[in-house]
Amino acid sequence: DSGVTQTPKHLITATGQRVTLRCSPRSGDLSVYWYQQSLDQGLQFLIQYYNGEERAKGNILERFSAQQFPDLHSELNLSSLELGDSALYFCASSVGLGSDYEQYFGPGTRLTVT
Amino acid sequence: GQNIDQPTEMTATEGAIVQINCTYQTSGFNGLFWYQQHAGEAPTFLSYNVLDGLEEKGRFSSFLSRSKGYSYLLLKELQMKDSASYLCAVRADYKLSFGAGTTVTVRA
Repeated sequence: DSGVTQTPKHLITATGQRVTLRCSPRSGDLSVYWYQQSLDQGLQFLIQYYNGEERAKGNILERFSAQQFPDLHSELNLSSLELGDSALYFCASSVGLGSDYEQYFGPGTRLTVT
Repeated sequence: GQNIDQPTEMTATEGAIVQINCTYQTSGFNGLFWYQQHAGEAPTFLSYNVLDGLEEKGRFSSFLSRSKGYSYLLLKELQMKDSASYLCAVRADYKLSFGAGTTVTVRA
């Protein structure tokens, strides 16, 4: 158990819908990262927040957005869902910003868009 | 962006040694990580290299050569539970980019 929690574990929804994935980092971790993992694309970095502020952006679609709240939990919002958005979405956290900080991954949310 | 290459699959026998190579091309390099991921589960941290050389951690060791853009993960005394995907990840400018992963199958 990494100490990172994600809800829900599974989510099934229809195309065109909007969903919100939630992540609580490990106690004391200020950085939160979101990743998407699909069978054909591997693990892709989406976005990082540090202490409430966006710090780095990866291959995140405009239909997706995220935020980190004052209590440090984070939410990833996915809208106008398409079949291709079906994937495992992981949240990870780390203590700080630096390159030597290990990231701890949550168990993931499996999103199925039908 | 980063170009990260690692073999797709490797098979080895229980008790043996396997070496997983990873080559990368990146600007702003500031660290290389190895993660283990069992199917359907979260990646778990194995090792981190930022300077050239070998880092040893029990049965797992990782090597880095920054000038060659090369790393390897060495798994010794293989056990059945080591069957998993091994992900090489390069950090640059706060972003961690992952390779596609190497699926290691350990046979009895």
